[in-house]
Amino acid sequence: DTEVTQTPKHLVMGMTNKKSLKCEQHMGHRAMYWYKQKAKKPPELMFVYSYEKLSINESVPSRFSPECPNSSLLNLHLHALQPEDSALYLCASSQLGKDTEAFFGQGTRLTVV
Amino acid sequence: GQSLEQPSEVTAVEGAIVQINCTYQTSGFYGLSWYQQHDGGAPTFLSYNALDGLEETGRFSSFLSRSDSYGYLLLQELQMKDSASYFCAAVAAGNKLTFGGGTRVLVKP
Repeated sequence: DTEVTQTPKHLVMGMTNKKSLKCEQHMGHRAMYWYKQKAKKPPELMFVYSYEKLSINESVPSRFSPECPNSSLLNLHLHALQPEDSALYLCASSQLGKDTEAFFGQGTRLTVV
Repeated sequence: GQSLEQPSEVTAVEGAIVQINCTYQTSGFYGLSWYQQHDGGAPTFLSYNALDGLEETGRFSSFLSRSDSYGYLLLQELQMKDSASYFCAAVAAGNKLTFGGGTRVLVKP
């Protein structure tokens, strides 16, 4: 199984809503990532989890709150988002170490209205 | 910080060869990865260079020169399905993977 599964595929939420994005992998990878991608732009790193602990936060606003309940799951909790937060949110995983081949999920296309 | 530069767009015909260059400035650099992303799809890993030299994987090859902070992806025998965006990505300490701006490759018949 070389898949990273993200749910939901699409999400429309209001600026006062609270929602969560979910990501799951069963490859035994101990590094998991959240990326944000705007149209025609590269993925931008948001968070890195190593061994279920947050290791990198790229100065992401607190309205985005990551959580790693176990080695297979990664969540991104969303609260009080702005329309400019509308983007494709990608989850990825990889083996820890220098030789990094990251596996990406298909993403959640988020629209904030 | 991390900075990777690559051309924004390349157009070529089927059967041709395309080289996508990537120059980088990163701290704690471990290696250079390449990813392909079709419109509406997820980035897909193509190759990784930790050491100087050429890595060949089928029609795609990747090269790294650490002394020049430079790498490239070579696409040979271009096919229509190779039309996509290609990203170089620097692997750095902390499992930090940072992407270049992406090169959109358009393959014409």
